[in-house]
Amino acid sequence: GAGVSQTPSNKVTEKGKYVELRCDPISGHTALYWYRQSLGQGPEFLIYFQGTGAADDSGLPNDRFFAVRPEGSVSTLKIQRTERGDSAMYLCASSFGGRDEQFFGPGTRLTVL
Amino acid sequence: GENVEQHPSTLSVQEGDSAVIKCTYSDSASNYFPWYKQELGKRPQLIIDIRSNVGEKKDQRIAVTLNKTAKHFSLHITETQPEDSAVYFCAASTSSGSRLTFGEGTQLTVNP
Repeated sequence: GAGVSQTPSNKVTEKGKYVELRCDPISGHTALYWYRQSLGQGPEFLIYFQGTGAADDSGLPNDRFFAVRPEGSVSTLKIQRTERGDSAMYLCASSFGGRDEQFFGPGTRLTVL
Repeated sequence: GENVEQHPSTLSVQEGDSAVIKCTYSDSASNYFPWYKQELGKRPQLIIDIRSNVGEKKDQRIAVTLNKTAKHFSLHITETQPEDSAVYFCAASTSSGSRLTFGEGTQLTVNP
């Protein structure tokens, strides 16, 4: 079946702008995760959804970052007032409820000029 | 919170040799340890994982060992091939469905 998909694949924006990044998890996966990966580093956890609710949002760096998953499937990561330091690869992963294995999407490369 | 350290950061081997990557973790409650392979510009791909009730797991040329007492786990790749060249990440989590904490990655280069 189809894997995790993310759109757009690349996003270039200017400092101060608002961006939305979308994640479509594997069908039937109830858990969804967002990670951020800077060049040469491992992914860093941002937020985890179980169904529609955020079960753990302790990785969000500040209140400019917000994520939703209104129907328990697609999720949107929203970044307000973007800063150059937000430039990174944003990865989404999903897993079947109660299972450990997380499957990653191809990521969205965000560049803030 | 959990801290995962990984070494070496780079590893270069000749085709056919073995490669070993080691990770340590800090949280004794961690019980799930996956390994991901990430090729340049691609998504991380799960290649093998181990749970804390098992000491070793093997899948063809890849094996992972876990020492809970010492809080370290290792990835072993035998008979390396050029297509094994990639960045490898170890990770740890404390329960089903919880966040993964990743190591910094190891750039493996297999020279033909």
